[in-house]
Order: sequence, then structure tokens, then C-alpha cells
Amino acid sequence: GAGVSQTPSNKVTEKGKYVELRCDPISGHTALYWYRQSLGQGPEFLIYFQGTGAADDSGLPNDRFFAVRPEGSVSTLKIQRTERGDSAVYLCASSLSGGRSYNEQFFGPGTRLTVL
Amino acid sequence: DAKTTQPPSMDCAEGRAANLPCNHSTISGNEYVYWYRQIHSQGPQYIIHGLKNNETNEMASLIITEDRKSSTLILPHATLRDTAVYYCIVRVGDTGNQFYFGTGTSLTVIP
Repeated sequence: GAGVSQTPSNKVTEKGKYVELRCDPISGHTALYWYRQSLGQGPEFLIYFQGTGAADDSGLPNDRFFAVRPEGSVSTLKIQRTERGDSAVYLCASSLSGGRSYNEQFFGPGTRLTVL
Repeated sequence: DAKTTQPPSMDCAEGRAANLPCNHSTISGNEYVYWYRQIHSQGPQYIIHGLKNNETNEMASLIITEDRKSSTLILPHATLRDTAVYYCIVRVGDTGNQFYFGTGTSLTVIP
């Protein structure tokens, strides 16, 4: 079946611009996660959704970053006034459910964001 | 928050067992150990997880010490396609959903 998909695969923008990154989770997965991965580093947690609500947004670096999941499926990560330091691969993952029970997280291929 | 320590890189001969160590000395009693791997330019892929008992699946085995302060991922017969960065993760945070990946071990399988 279809896995997690992310669009665009690559995004180049200029400093100060606004960008949106999209994630389509696996159908039926209620939990959705966003991570950011800089070169040579492991993925860094940003935010976790359970259904439509953000259950944990403690990883968002500042208020320029915001994410939504209005219908409990597709999610959009929004970055305002982009900075060169925002350049990274943004990964999305989904799982059957979240909370204390463990469910394997399935990752998408990521969106490579480059801020010039 | 529990974190992990892994060697930055390892080599393994093709066909031999790859043993990847991980230290997690501050792990809490209800925290699981997970292993994921990331092949170049792809998203991370789940391998295996465990709490305190050893686990085995079609991909690998996970050996957790009795005090749970360290674990070893074993790939029994490494192939060239196993070349990847391997992350040992413990679940952190009250929600149990925040994963701390660290920098992982870059495994190179040599022909």
C-alpha cells in the first residue's frame, strides 16, 4: 500500500519568505509527527499530532514554525520569515496511534528545504 | 531525558554479523529501546524495539542487558544493502511520543 508521502521533495526559497510543506500520512494512521534533520545529524522532533490536535509541540524551535492537521489526515508545516538556518530535510512520520502504547513510525522521504 | 551513546562509525564484512552497541545508562523503567536505520537520502526505517527481554524479528536481534543500561543490535548476516546510519532511541517525554535520535552509527558493509 501507499506509504507516507511528502511534497514538494525539494524547496528552494529566499530568506524572509513563507513556505508550506505537506505530509500525506498512511491512511488510517491517527498519529503524525514532524522532524527536522540537519546535515550529519539525526532527526530532531518538532511536533506530534493525535488526530486533529497537536498533542506535543515542544520541539518547534520558535513561533515562526506552525503546523496544522485540520481533518486528522494531511498535515502542513508552515514556516514564516524563513532564515538560512532553517535549511534542512523536514521529515514526516505517521503511526497507527500515539500515546503510551508503541506503534512503529513510518517515515516519508522528506522535503529538502534550502533557504538562500 | 534519557539519551543514547553510539560509536560514530563501524565497518563489517559482508556475510558476517554486525553488532552495533548502544549505551542508555539513564533509561527509565518504562522506556523502550528502539532501533531505526536510515539509508542515504531516505526516511528512517523501523528495525526492532524492546523493553527488557531480548527480541528477534526477520531483520535483526536486540540484546538488552539485565540492568537495561545498554543494548546491542545484531544483523546476523550483513549485506551491502545494510549500509546505513543506525539509530538507537529511547522514548522520552510524558506523552511517550518524542524520539531523541542522536547522531547514530554509520555502518559500512564491505564486500
